[in-house]
Amino acid sequence: DAGVIQSPRHEVTEMGQEVTLRCKPISGHNSLFWYRQTMMRGLELLIYFNNNVPIDDSGMPEDRFSAKMPNASFSTLKIQPSEPRDSAVYFCASSSWTDYNEKLFFGSGTQLSVL
Amino acid sequence: SQQGEEDPQALSIQEGENATMNCSYKTSINNLQWYRQNSGRGLVHLILIRSNEREKHSGRLRVTLDTSKKSSSLLITASRAADTASYFCATDRNNNNDMRFGAGTRLTVKP
Repeated sequence: DAGVIQSPRHEVTEMGQEVTLRCKPISGHNSLFWYRQTMMRGLELLIYFNNNVPIDDSGMPEDRFSAKMPNASFSTLKIQPSEPRDSAVYFCASSSWTDYNEKLFFGSGTQLSVL
Repeated sequence: SQQGEEDPQALSIQEGENATMNCSYKTSINNLQWYRQNSGRGLVHLILIRSNEREKHSGRLRVTLDTSKKSSSLLITASRAADTASYFCATDRNNNNDMRFGAGTRLTVKP
């Protein structure tokens, strides 16, 4: 398996533009997590899905952020409109979950810069 | 919100020395996991300890868990320059699989 695949690796955009980040989890995993990492706030959990269903989106900063998981092999995180304070590294991770999480596998991340 | 808090925030040691990092958390958990992150890369899983376990070993890593104190420690023995990285603990709350991370410990191992 190629691991968790995120795209793009780098995204530079201007304030007000829509940004879409993509994630392909490891085949067979049933949990998917989106995290944001900054120096100031560390690694924040934005939202996670179990079996393609969003379970907790309380970490999503505001309505400008939305996430979907239309099927078991694909998820998107969208920011519309983007703002400079959204600049961060966004990570997707997947795991196998029954009564508890097994280890998380992380993608390489998307470095987002909003100018 | 973050679940775990690591200390120290930064640790600098000489190659060959042992490194100990601590993690405290707030709620009851199913398990606690430690991850490593090299600069600019994704996190890599190191070791998982379940809430009914007290100690676990993996190579040069030793993890302890004290659920009464809601704390864990990660010991890296005989450190190497290649161990230089940030180390994070993560927990999922009881009956919930939201994996939340602490702020991390930045470890520097000098050759």
